[in-house]
Amino acid sequence: KQEVTQIPAALSVPEGENLVLNCSFTDSAIYNLQWFRQDPGKGLTSLLLIQSSQREQTSGRLNASLDKSSGRSTLYIAASQPGDSATYLCAVRPIPGGTSYGKLTFGQGTILTVHP
Amino acid sequence: DAGVTQSPTHLIKTRGQQVTLRCSPISGHKSVSWYQQVLGQGPQFIFQYYEKEERGRGNFPDRFSARQFPNYSSELNVNALLLGDSALYLCASSSSGNTIYFGEGSWLTVV
Repeated sequence: KQEVTQIPAALSVPEGENLVLNCSFTDSAIYNLQWFRQDPGKGLTSLLLIQSSQREQTSGRLNASLDKSSGRSTLYIAASQPGDSATYLCAVRPIPGGTSYGKLTFGQGTILTVHP
Repeated sequence: DAGVTQSPTHLIKTRGQQVTLRCSPISGHKSVSWYQQVLGQGPQFIFQYYEKEERGRGNFPDRFSARQFPNYSSELNVNALLLGDSALYLCASSSSGNTIYFGEGSWLTVV
């Protein structure tokens, strides 16, 4: 059974800091890994998708890396801003086939607060 | 193009009642999945449908059911509601193995 863990559970930083969010998963047989952002009371917004054959993806100030063999991914946020305050979730998708097709397994998230 | 749309956005039901939640995927997306998110936790997988066929089911009781229509929209039904069913219900759509997109969710409160 796939388990996903995110560390830290919460993080509070001053504006302008670079920060790293961590995600680990127990089963390396994944199809891809996706990072999401969730604002309070809202749905999930996709930030980055990394296929299992890729090592990293970048979008603006965000960079996500994937080390499938060690079961780890990191989300790097450069020059953090108050608008980055949200819960960040990582989710892994299994290799297609069987009854788990399309199922994302999520971590519990990291609550990020960036204060001015 | 419109994103994933869900309705209703908020609803309150009494224990024992039944509820139907609706989802319209992004145009062209044939896969729809449903997730339950309780406060403080990550979403938990309930169902996945692809071209009207169930392709995956999470660890939820038989009170939960779903279906997908020819236009790829989907409904999630929950019977005999319990207080513990109070949660944010999220619908997601995707095209093949690509990025999965989520809607804003339906907030269900059971009293």
